Amino acid sequence: AQTVTQSQPEMSVQEAETVTLSCTYDTSESNYYLFWYKQPPSRQMILVIRQEAYKQQNATENRFSVNFQKAAKSFSLKISDSQLGDTAMYFCAFRGEGGSEKLVFGKGTKLTVNP
Amino acid sequence: DTEVTQTPKHLVMGMTNKKSLKCEQHMGHRAMYWYKQKAKKPPELMFVYSYEKLSINESVPSRFSPECPNSSLLNLHLHALQPEDSALYLCASSPGQGAYNEKLFFGSGTQLSVL
Repeated sequence: AQTVTQSQPEMSVQEAETVTLSCTYDTSESNYYLFWYKQPPSRQMILVIRQEAYKQQNATENRFSVNFQKAAKSFSLKISDSQLGDTAMYFCAFRGEGGSEKLVFGKGTKLTVNP
Repeated sequence: DTEVTQTPKHLVMGMTNKKSLKCEQHMGHRAMYWYKQKAKKPPELMFVYSYEKLSINESVPSRFSPECPNSSLLNLHLHALQPEDSALYLCASSPGQGAYNEKLFFGSGTQLSVL
């Protein structure tokens, strides 16, 4: 079974600074996607970024980028130029070809951006 | 329209009540999902519908009954719930049949309280 581990329950960062959220996963599958979802106080889960396992190039979306280390099964999220609106719960998630409908989430990291 | 709309946003019900949660999307997506999220926990998958057919039931108690009347609408019928069923219920959709590479679009959820 796949597992996703987020070892930082809470983090804080000053506005305009950079922060990195950690995520590790365990799987025996070869085809899979990794995701970072954001859940602000409005409760809606919003996809921040996703990475296909076969792509060596790290995904980027504006201020958000990932560091995907496939051999180490690590998938960290870097947020540059943090903004107050980035305050949210961040979930790392895995979806493998074998259990395709099921999105496996980590326990989440609560990020607070301070003014 | 890139939204998944859930109604109601909040619901309080007694253990003997019957109520329904509604989810709607007009993106032409063919897979729809129900997730349950307890406070400070990640979402847990309950049901998946693919092309209006139930494809996954994650051993959910029968007091939760899903229904997919058409490709745009997903309901969750509730009956004889227990206080421990109080949670945020999230609906999501994805474009195809729920393959591992599909992006999920989430609604804002229904916050359910069972008294």
